[in-house]
Amino acid sequence: DQQVKQNSPSLSVQEGRISILNCDYTNSMFDYFLWYKKYPAEGPTFLISISSIKDKNEDGRFTVFLNKSAKHLSLHIVPSQPGDSAVYFCAATRGWGNYGGSQGNLIFGKGTKLSVKP
Amino acid sequence: DVKVTQSSRYLVKRTGEKVFLECVQDMDHENMFWYRQDPGLGLRLIYFSYDVKMKEKGDIPEGYSVSREKKERFSLILESASTNQTSMYLCASKTGVGELFFGEGSRLTVL
Repeated sequence: DQQVKQNSPSLSVQEGRISILNCDYTNSMFDYFLWYKKYPAEGPTFLISISSIKDKNEDGRFTVFLNKSAKHLSLHIVPSQPGDSAVYFCAATRGWGNYGGSQGNLIFGKGTKLSVKP
Repeated sequence: DVKVTQSSRYLVKRTGEKVFLECVQDMDHENMFWYRQDPGLGLRLIYFSYDVKMKEKGDIPEGYSVSREKKERFSLILESASTNQTSMYLCASKTGVGELFFGEGSRLTVL
């Protein structure tokens, strides 16, 4: 049973426009959410995160929104650039602290492939 | 600068061979992880370790084993490689509180 879902496998956007990537989760115990970006033949790199005590976090062109009641988060990229073309993974975790064992593990969605066309 | 280094970027092995994938991190992180990434399946956790000599199964441990003899090193072992283990393997590490840092990945092809 998927606890973190990215329902859109792919998204195509024109350069300069907004990209919106969506992510849904089922476990209400998740309290920290992250977005990772992955280029082909490279490891994922951390992009932005948000704690459940916030509903928005912004870093330059990237903004993550969290709607806890809907168990939904989204990543907005404005303006989109061709270099943003990559696979984006949403991840969630329960217990953002050193609890040991598996409680701090990240649960990943299947990813959304973003293509930004010039 | 943080660094997770995977020993091999690309490997080609034959069915039945034993395969070692090595991962070293220089951040003194307690937790280390092995994932595999396949198109349409996302990142799936194979094994993880939260301390030296400790290991726990992830979501897809079958056909794999791991070794963590030193804090900085976490090895993934395929005892007898099979074609369905052709994949991108990603090592990662983190502290108890903190984001996950990934290595560059190891692309394994099993013929």
